[in-house]
Amino acid sequence: DAKTTQPNSMESNEEEPVHLPCNHSTISGTDYIHWYRQLPSQGPEYVIHGLTSNVNNRMASLAIAEDRKSSTLILHRATLRDAAVYYCILRVPNSGNTPLVFGKGTRLSVIA
Amino acid sequence: DSGVTQTPKHLITATGQRVTLRCSPRSGDLSVYWYQQSLDQGLQFLIQYYNGEERAKGNILERFSAQQFPDLHSELNLSSLELGDSALYFCASSPVGTFYDNEQFFGPGTRLTVL
Repeated sequence: DAKTTQPNSMESNEEEPVHLPCNHSTISGTDYIHWYRQLPSQGPEYVIHGLTSNVNNRMASLAIAEDRKSSTLILHRATLRDAAVYYCILRVPNSGNTPLVFGKGTRLSVIA
Repeated sequence: DSGVTQTPKHLITATGQRVTLRCSPRSGDLSVYWYQQSLDQGLQFLIQYYNGEERAKGNILERFSAQQFPDLHSELNLSSLELGDSALYFCASSPVGTFYDNEQFFGPGTRLTVL
């Protein structure tokens, strides 16, 4: 899997939007961009994924740059419960039954 | 609740001992993955089973082994334990098929402490 680069940590105020960046300059044309997060003392959980177009779901939005060399996970209104480590992971097509490769992720702190 | 269960939640043992961690995947999921999370190494893939057969191997030590049973639950066996094996061990499962967008569902983990 191609490599991703994320900031080690970020901080946000509660109820404000958060933009978590991920650089993946060596992404191939068919790699999917997945985001997982790990809340304290829990296992990772899936957040969102996309290929080229921006994606929205109940948890977050994913904005993908036109050249696909970077993406941004957007939490529209951060809550204390969103404090977690967020992982950006690239997946090749048809890799649904293959292991995930986690980097160090971004530790998001949310301040009340 | 992801639907993946792991037992025990906590395990404290001594160096040189052997332990077994158990995982029950989500109903219908044939793939089971084991991951180790330590402070210095982060989340690392150990091994995957698919419908009872070993499918992929990661950074799993020879002292560690796993299996998946006909009812699809899986066990991770850790032997000759060392202090450095202290970590969180996560099990994950994913649905059938090879679709690119199969998400993995993680259990709550087993925290192993080796004294």
